[in-house]
Amino acid sequence: KQEVTQIPAALSVPEGENLVLNCSFTDSAIYNLQWFRQDPGKGLTSLLLIQSSQREQTSGRLNASLDKSSGRSTLYIAASQPGDSATYLCAVRRGGNNRLAFGKGNQVVVIP
Amino acid sequence: GAGVSQSPSNKVTEKGKDVELRCDPISGHTALYWYRQSLGQGLEFLIYFQGNSAPDKSGLPSDRFSAERTGGSVSTLTIQRTQQEDSAVYLCASSLSGMSYRAYEQYFGPGTRLTVT
Repeated sequence: KQEVTQIPAALSVPEGENLVLNCSFTDSAIYNLQWFRQDPGKGLTSLLLIQSSQREQTSGRLNASLDKSSGRSTLYIAASQPGDSATYLCAVRRGGNNRLAFGKGNQVVVIP
Repeated sequence: GAGVSQSPSNKVTEKGKDVELRCDPISGHTALYWYRQSLGQGLEFLIYFQGNSAPDKSGLPSDRFSAERTGGSVSTLTIQRTQQEDSAVYLCASSLSGMSYRAYEQYFGPGTRLTVT
């Protein structure tokens, strides 16, 4: 069974600092990895999708890396803003299986 | 274009009652997924529909849970004889499928918050 772990569970940073969020997974036979953002009481917003053959994806201030062999992904958010405060979820899709296995999230607070 | 929509947004029901939750996927998305997010837990896969294929029901926690997808579009998740442990946010997602780069990127609806009293 695929286990996805996100560390740290919660963190607070002052505005302007870079954020580094870590995700690890136990089964490296993944098809892709997806990072989501969830605001309180809301659904999930897809941020970045990395295919298993890729090493990283970038979108604006966001950059996600993938090291499939070691079962790790890192989400970098540059120059954090108060609007980045949210819970960030990592999810992996195993090859041959269409379900996503989720971590419990990194809860981020950016302090103005 | 319109995203995934779900209704109702909130549902409070008494223990033992049946409930139906609805999901409208993004137009043209052939794959549809249901997940559950309980307090303090991660998102848990429930069921997956792909086109006209038999659904993957392997995540349903008990036989009180069932889902159907009519006409390859709208889906309904039904929980019979609700229990307090069914209280959670039920999230629906949809995706394209096939060989494109963006295939299987899942887009989520806002969820239905179910409270069983």
